Amino acid sequence: AQSVTQPDIHITVSEGASLELRCNYSYGATPYLFWYVQSPGQGLQLLLKYFSGDTLVQGIKGFEAEFKRSQSSFNLRKPSVHWSDAAEYFCAVGAQTGRRALTFGSGTRLQVQP
Amino acid sequence: NAGVTQTPKFQVLKTGQSMTLQCAQDMNHNSMYWYRQDPGMGLRLIYYSASEGTTDKGEVPNGYNVSRLNKREFSLRLESAAPSQTSVYFCATLLDIYEQYFGPGTRLTVT
Repeated sequence: AQSVTQPDIHITVSEGASLELRCNYSYGATPYLFWYVQSPGQGLQLLLKYFSGDTLVQGIKGFEAEFKRSQSSFNLRKPSVHWSDAAEYFCAVGAQTGRRALTFGSGTRLQVQP
Repeated sequence: NAGVTQTPKFQVLKTGQSMTLQCAQDMNHNSMYWYRQDPGMGLRLIYYSASEGTTDKGEVPNGYNVSRLNKREFSLRLESAAPSQTSVYFCATLLDIYEQYFGPGTRLTVT
């Protein structure tokens, strides 16, 4: 069965600092990986996705993520965080067959200090 | 083009009451999903529908029923609400091969 682990429940960074959110997955084949962001009281917005090819993927709002098969990781990064990035971030893995539902991690809440 | 809409946005129920959460999409997608979101647990799949008239259980289906009478709408019904069903419910459609598009959610409290 597939699973996703986000080891950091809560992270606080200063505005302008760099950010890395960790994501580890378990999946039997090449995974399809996603990062979603959820602002308070809002739905989920897709930041970026990895299906195949280049292991460094660029997303919206200046985010990027790197797929590392050897480490079963798909960490999210941003060089300089803005106050508006404060939100909850979810990593998810998608099944390649069947219902193609997503399995989500438990989320990382990002707080940005001025 | 509204994408995915969910009604209601908020609902408070008493234990034992029933209600239906509505989801509609105008993107002509076949696959639709219901998830629930609980603190510290991410989103978990309740039910899935591959097309009109077909549904399949997900990870946490107990206490729920669904209906997919047409391509646009996928409803989730709680027949006898329990406090354990207090959650935020998200409907989603399959945007392309594996990307899902989420609605704004319904926040349900069962007292």
